[in-house]
Amino acid sequence: DAKTTQPPSMDCAEGRAANLPCNHSTISGNEYVYWYRQIHSQGPQYIIHGLKNNETNEMASLIITEDRKSSTLILPHATLRDTAVYYCIVREDNNDMRFGAGTRLTVKP
Amino acid sequence: GAVVSQHPSWVICKSGTSVKIECRSLDFQATTMFWYRQFPKQSLMLMATSNEGSKATYEQGVEKDKFLINHASLTLSTLTVTSAHPEDSSFYICSARPLGGGGTEAFFGQGTRLTVV
Repeated sequence: DAKTTQPPSMDCAEGRAANLPCNHSTISGNEYVYWYRQIHSQGPQYIIHGLKNNETNEMASLIITEDRKSSTLILPHATLRDTAVYYCIVREDNNDMRFGAGTRLTVKP
Repeated sequence: GAVVSQHPSWVICKSGTSVKIECRSLDFQATTMFWYRQFPKQSLMLMATSNEGSKATYEQGVEKDKFLINHASLTLSTLTVTSAHPEDSSFYICSARPLGGGGTEAFFGQGTRLTVV
């Protein structure tokens, strides 16, 4: 019952920016957008989250559209170690976190 | 970032035995912890939500008598798979959310791979 839609897979050249889209057209006003990634056989790793404004940290940037119905995670300079499944999740502050199918990003040399 | 530790990282057990998995938040307190299960090539599926000092809330289709959850302190939750069978073989992952509001992120353990033979 994930509230997000992501492409199943994407490729990106090493050193280039990886732009991962996410649709969340039914997002409500108090729901945040979270991004996690999972490298094979590991637990998910937190990347970034936001409510309305665009956000940036040392790992990535999060661009949220003005209507909040979609967002894009940007990895500015993808490396081979960024190959993983990326999950976009929307949830209210104290609710549980439910995962959709995610996007399998493959960074190629 | 905050650290969540799971133990063991992997375990092999015989069919019919029970296995306990621990989830600890090492540098923060968590009133709520979550347990997930992940089968090969699939996404994480939420099994239950564990609240410190109270009974866990299980997702539909998850047997509470088979997957016993205890959350006795603000830094420790345990999942016991009772009478394990080969179909319980999976990757079990916990997460913990620090106290506080304002869009607090959850942190995940490294996962426990359970193989029932």
